Amino acid sequence: AQSVTQPDIHITVSEGASLELRCNYSYGATPYLFWYVQSPGQGLQLLLKYFSGDTLVQGIKGFEAEFKRSQSSFNLRKPSVHWSDAAEYFCAVGASSGDKLTFGTGTRLAVRP
Amino acid sequence: SQTIHQWPATLVQPVGSPLSLECTVEGTSNPNLYWYRQAAGRGLQLLFYSVGIGQISSEVPQNLSASRPQDRQFILSSKKLLLSDSGFYLCAWGMGGTGNTIYFGEGSWLTVV
Repeated sequence: AQSVTQPDIHITVSEGASLELRCNYSYGATPYLFWYVQSPGQGLQLLLKYFSGDTLVQGIKGFEAEFKRSQSSFNLRKPSVHWSDAAEYFCAVGASSGDKLTFGTGTRLAVRP
Repeated sequence: SQTIHQWPATLVQPVGSPLSLECTVEGTSNPNLYWYRQAAGRGLQLLFYSVGIGQISSEVPQNLSASRPQDRQFILSSKKLLLSDSGFYLCAWGMGGTGNTIYFGEGSWLTVV
């Protein structure tokens, strides 16, 4: 069975600083990887996804993520954080059958003015 | 384009009362449908998913049930709510298959008192 670990529960960064959110997955075959963002009291919005090909994927809102098979990681990055990026971020892994996603416990991002 | 609607957005129910949360998807046919629950600090827990009318898979034993009476309608129910059923419930849809991407509704807050 697949699993996802997001080791950081809370992260605080200053506006304009760079950001990296960590995600490690466990899955025996080729994983399908996702990052979602959730604003308070809202549903989840897809930021980006990795299926195959280029290991650096670009998403919406200036985010990118890099798939590293050797490290079983799919970390999310942004070069300059904006106050509106404050939210909770979820990493997820999908199996090749495609029916279900397994989510991590999320990382809550706070942005300091 | 596809849209997903879920309601009610907020619900306060007494212990022992019934529950019905409804979700509909527009703009697609034969989607996979999902119910997730989100509790603080625990990420998203998959409760049920459905790959077709009348086909329901339960992921965890619990006080809840799901039904899919129509292709694009997914209902989460309970006959008697428990305090532990409180949480944020998210409906989602996807097309299934390799690399399935899941898209979420806006969520329903359930407080059992």
